[in-house]
Amino acid sequence: ERVMTQSPATLSVSPGERATLSCRASQSVSSNLAWYQQKPGQAPRLLIYGASTRATGIPARFSGSGSGTEFTLTISSLQSEDFAVYYCQQYNNWPRFTFGPGTKVDIK
Amino acid sequence: QVQLVESGGGVVQPGGSLRLSCAASGFTFSNYGMHWVRQAPGKGLEWVAFIQYDGSNKYYVDSVRGRFTISRDNSKNTVYLQMNSLRAEDTAVYYCAKDPRTNGPEALGYFDYWGQGTLVTVSS
Repeated sequence: ERVMTQSPATLSVSPGERATLSCRASQSVSSNLAWYQQKPGQAPRLLIYGASTRATGIPARFSGSGSGTEFTLTISSLQSEDFAVYYCQQYNNWPRFTFGPGTKVDIK
Repeated sequence: QVQLVESGGGVVQPGGSLRLSCAASGFTFSNYGMHWVRQAPGKGLEWVAFIQYDGSNKYYVDSVRGRFTISRDNSKNTVYLQMNSLRAEDTAVYYCAKDPRTNGPEALGYFDYWGQGTLVTVSS
């Protein structure tokens, strides 16, 4: 099973600043990596798939990069609505799809 | 627009059963595979099950295989999760989620649309 880890567990950022979130896979997942945003009491929302492709309607301030075992989600200039928990998910090891534990982005 | 609406959650005793439903609209349901994903209170996300667009193939996470059954009725645009022999560790919000692959075998394996979730609590 591909074990996903995320760092940091919590990231404190001021509005307008850049946020960089990391995700690591225990074995290569190629580019089969997605990122989701979840706000309290809401369902997750797809942000990025294929490691770097933004989903429909996702603002350009969200970008993804990486391949193999190391991935990054960057939010170029944090808006108030971006404070949330972010999960990475691998879909290379089919059908054992696994998520990381999440990174909480909160207000500094 | 795509809408997924889950129902059927509630409180059930250990060893009991529950059937969840997810009604889909806003897309051609019969063309897409569907997943169930769960989230225990205060915890992360766990993929639970997948059913192919035509219902011909189904897959499960190891912890629910043999206890849970995913099914679908394309005439009703609905996917189901029958949960038997429930345990305390099955307590979670259960989300249905759409797979992006159209009319293909298996799944792409990520989730482009999610429902709002339904809470299942297993407790005596």
